[in-house]
Amino acid sequence: DTAVSQTPKYLVTQMGNDKSIKCEQNLGHDTMYWYKQDSKKFLKIMFSYNNKELIINETVPNRFSPKSPDKAHLNLHINSLELGDSAVYFCASRLAGDQETQYFGPGTRLLVL
Amino acid sequence: QKEVEQDPGPLSVPEGAIVSLNCTYSNSAFQYFMWYRQYSRKGPELLMYTYSSGNKEDGRFTAQVDKSSKYISLFIRDSQPSDSATYLCAGYPSGGYQKVTFGTGTKLQVIP
Repeated sequence: DTAVSQTPKYLVTQMGNDKSIKCEQNLGHDTMYWYKQDSKKFLKIMFSYNNKELIINETVPNRFSPKSPDKAHLNLHINSLELGDSAVYFCASRLAGDQETQYFGPGTRLLVL
Repeated sequence: QKEVEQDPGPLSVPEGAIVSLNCTYSNSAFQYFMWYRQYSRKGPELLMYTYSSGNKEDGRFTAQVDKSSKYISLFIRDSQPSDSATYLCAGYPSGGYQKVTFGTGTKLQVIP
């Protein structure tokens, strides 16, 4: 009965590889997000997406691309991984217009070697 | 200067104490403010969500915003060991959650 789930939990990969992280929510929410939390615990929003629009944080490199097959899923694809991409990536969801319904997933710990 | 500043701690208090966690921010356009609790190796959990200046209470938690001084606080009454976590504050301007900015968090330890 997990509200927001992410796979995999851990991901270790080499520089230059392409990888995807999956996110699913069973809350019936219509807005989903990806965040990056670095080693100093600094959390930054990367993408905001609902079935109408994708809003990209302008600081996110275009190697990162969200893909949403349906309202319950928002996957994150990363091309040409770099050392600086090592971080914890969190998915979250909420109902549009109701920030208080926001829930985060457990995170995916990415280590790029 | 970071847009949202928090003392990283750690802050250690005895069980039952009143805890005060604080943030300052620099963006005068911020209208919405949030406090999140993050347990070790878990995702953040939204604790409090407030609009503009004022107080909001929810059980043992009280969030306070003073926009004139750009200062936000979270008070925890009767602190419990289960409150031990990192607390993140965040703010964003009206209509612009995609511009949300988080502090780096204050680590709290409540000692039984």
